[in-house]
Amino acid sequence: SAVISQKPSRDICQRGTSLTIQCQVDSQVTMMFWYRQQPGQSLTLIATANQGSEATYESGFVIDKFPISRPNLTFSTLTVSNMSPEDSSIYLCSVEDTSYEQYFGPGTRLTVT
Amino acid sequence: DAKTTQPTSMDCAEGRAANLPCNHSTISGNEYVYWYRQIHSQGPQYIIHGLKNNETNEMASLIITEDRKSSTLILPHATLRDTAVYYCILSAGANNLFFGTGTRLTVIP
Repeated sequence: SAVISQKPSRDICQRGTSLTIQCQVDSQVTMMFWYRQQPGQSLTLIATANQGSEATYESGFVIDKFPISRPNLTFSTLTVSNMSPEDSSIYLCSVEDTSYEQYFGPGTRLTVT
Repeated sequence: DAKTTQPTSMDCAEGRAANLPCNHSTISGNEYVYWYRQIHSQGPQYIIHGLKNNETNEMASLIITEDRKSSTLILPHATLRDTAVYYCILSAGANNLFFGTGTRLTVIP
């Protein structure tokens, strides 16, 4: 199974600012995913990030708000732009391995004040 | 929209088997049944998945009915560390997981 780390683990940010979250995997993977988990809620897929192509966003999420980079097969970033308190959530990255299993990082807990 | 239905919560005595049901009456032929769990303050953890045959691994067993309209995740000997939210998810591949509300399992000493 893949081992995934995220930075930062948590942050408190002021509204109007942006935060970039990093996701590092210990092996090369084709597909990486970004999820959001709002307080007390289940996970919602934000986008799929494949290396060498533009990220594919789910309904309700746009690139201007959540730009994603995928420079290589082991790394990705998600930026939460122009933050508001409604963006306070846990943001998780995950990867799919060759066995069609998906592994998740520990998450980044974001609080926007 | 969630394509699965799970009970909101369940309790299980420590050491006993935990049987978590999931209904998925509109499952498509190419969709697998995946189970994940999320322990408090952690990312979701993959447990098991199957297409139509029953599956077993070191964590759990997955029983899928012959018509594939429902399944049961079995934790054979529940421990306190199994307390978590368990998600039953249908997907044609792990790249498209829709997390519903899941079942909150509480293992009681």
